[in-house]
Amino acid sequence: GAVVSQHPSRVICKSGTSVKIECRSLDFQATTMFWYRQFPKKSLMLMATSNEGSKATYEQGVEKDKFLINHASLTLSTLTVTSAHPEDSSFYICSFLGGQSTEAFFGQGTRLTVV
Amino acid sequence: LAKTTQPISMDSYEGQEVNITCSHNNIATNDYITWYQQFPSQGPRFIIQGYKTKVTNEVASLFIPADRKSSTLSLPRVSLSDTAVYYCLVGNTDKLIFGTGTRLQVFP
Repeated sequence: GAVVSQHPSRVICKSGTSVKIECRSLDFQATTMFWYRQFPKKSLMLMATSNEGSKATYEQGVEKDKFLINHASLTLSTLTVTSAHPEDSSFYICSFLGGQSTEAFFGQGTRLTVV
Repeated sequence: LAKTTQPISMDSYEGQEVNITCSHNNIATNDYITWYQQFPSQGPRFIIQGYKTKVTNEVASLFIPADRKSSTLSLPRVSLSDTAVYYCLVGNTDKLIFGTGTRLQVFP
């Protein structure tokens, strides 16, 4: 299957700082991207959907000014958590859909801890 | 978006066949049914996808009845490494909404 590279896999930051998570598709061009967050022993919660070159569409309750998503190209998307707070600590996962494919490919996830 | 309902958890023993059923009563005509597997602290991994009838690949089979209101993921001869959470997703390329998933525990 396609390879999606997500970095960093783990990050610890101080409250008030910003953290950028990068997600790359290594062997295909992704037209649609999804970002999720996941709390321990819970399911994945969709945060936003983005299409290359367009602004992201955020799910209800997700602050777009806090979670900045940039789908800069068909192979790269970034999620920036701005002014992080301890309650932002979570597992963040990116996902790509390519072209006409209905199969999504997921990154390895990023464990964010805000102290 | 079609809502899915799965059992919260299942237990099995090594070597047994495991069947996990997902209900999706309001599935739309253009919706696909996709199953993903997730291990702790990892992103989900695609297992199998189908639209109707039966689909089989090297790791699983997917059974979909004619009315498409449910689907069953079949894992033949599970091993300890199949202990994971399994998610049934119904939809197309617009959104991927995860349900609660089924936590499968395989015992020796």
